[in-house]
Amino acid sequence: DARVTQTPRHKVTEMGQEVTMRCQPILGHNTVFWYRQTMMQGLELLAYFRNRAPLDDSGMPKDRFSAEMPDATLATLKIQPSEPRDSAVYFCASGRDSYEQYFGPGTRLTVT
Amino acid sequence: QKEVEQDPGPLSVPEGAIVSLNCTYSNSAFQYFMWYRQYSRKGPELLMYTYSSGNKEDGRFTAQVDKSSKYISLFIRDSQPSDSATYLCAMKGGGYQKVTFGIGTKLQVIP
Repeated sequence: DARVTQTPRHKVTEMGQEVTMRCQPILGHNTVFWYRQTMMQGLELLAYFRNRAPLDDSGMPKDRFSAEMPDATLATLKIQPSEPRDSAVYFCASGRDSYEQYFGPGTRLTVT
Repeated sequence: QKEVEQDPGPLSVPEGAIVSLNCTYSNSAFQYFMWYRQYSRKGPELLMYTYSSGNKEDGRFTAQVDKSSKYISLFIRDSQPSDSATYLCAMKGGGYQKVTFGIGTKLQVIP
């Protein structure tokens, strides 16, 4: 049963610290997405990779956020420096050039 | 105004009721229309998918798309407590277009 995995599942950090979230997409999937979910805004797309190349990162605050895919089995999302308003659940999803996305369990981030 | 509008609810119904969930959208380029279900503290998972206009049925679930009105619906018949979740509509255009999600409607089915 192939699944998207995300680490860590929970992260509590202080304002100003660097946060790194990792995602392992499903083997064979060529698209990877990073989303942020809050009660007020819902699911917001932060970054979208296709065949490891960034296709859309228009939703990502460029001054503090960065997303990379060092290889086909790993995607990372970094926040530096973190701020309290970054507190949210961050989801990674993967897919195969289609409408369907498979979501990971999410990383619940709290910045104090 | 958001591209996709969805009432966040919450919506509370008795077990066995018919549930109607809806979204409106503004982008006429959307071609693929999806409904995702998200249980508490889990990631969303695809429930139904429709291409262009029309209806699609899967068990107790029916998805409808009316492109002329830019309106999509999800109907749940004989609702069960296990249907209690947040339902997110989602849409995308052709090619490598990104998926745009609604904010989600929280549904609670009372036994």
